[in-house]
Amino acid sequence: AQKVTQAQTEISVVEKEDVTLDCVYETRDTTYYLFWYKQPPSGELVFLIRRNSFDEQNEISGRYSWNFQKSTSSFNFTITASQVVDSAVYFCALSEAPSGGSYIPTFGRGTSLIVHP
Amino acid sequence: DAGVTQSPTHLIKTRGQQVTLRCSPKSGHDTVSWYQQALGQGPQFIFQYYEEEERQRGNFPDRFSGHQFPNYSSELNVNALLLGDSALYLCASSWYRGDSTDTQYFGPGTRLTVL
Repeated sequence: AQKVTQAQTEISVVEKEDVTLDCVYETRDTTYYLFWYKQPPSGELVFLIRRNSFDEQNEISGRYSWNFQKSTSSFNFTITASQVVDSAVYFCALSEAPSGGSYIPTFGRGTSLIVHP
Repeated sequence: DAGVTQSPTHLIKTRGQQVTLRCSPKSGHDTVSWYQQALGQGPQFIFQYYEEEERQRGNFPDRFSGHQFPNYSSELNVNALLLGDSALYLCASSWYRGDSTDTQYFGPGTRLTVL
């Protein structure tokens, strides 16, 4: 069975601080996919990144960066110089390789990030 | 280009009633998935529709059923509502082409309250 653990329930930072959201996953599959989604108060899940299990390169997109380490089964997300607009709930998710359909992510419980001005 | 749309936005029902939620996928998408998100939890997969058939199903009772129409839109039906069915119901769409698929894009959700 697949499992995603986001141990941080809530993180509170002041604007311009860097913040890292942790994600640890469990799977027996050798091929799998990891995701991060952002859920602002409006409720819509916004896709941030998808990474497959064979690509351990770190990725940077603007102020966002992701660190994927298979050795520790972790896929951590860092926001550099946080802004108030980054306040949201962030979900890490794991999916096996799609078969006969789309990905079926198993989500963690989410980390609520509050950025104070 | 419209994204995933869902209706209604909010809904209040009483125990035992039945409810139908609707979803229109993003343009170009043919696969629709439904998720239930209880307060303070991550979304949980209910089922996925492709080519008007239920392709995969999560661990939800038969009270949860769905349908996909030829235009790829979808409905989620819940019968005999329980208090525990109160949640945000999210629809997600993607495309599937045999050996290739796209990441799911989510709609804003329908907030269902069961009294």
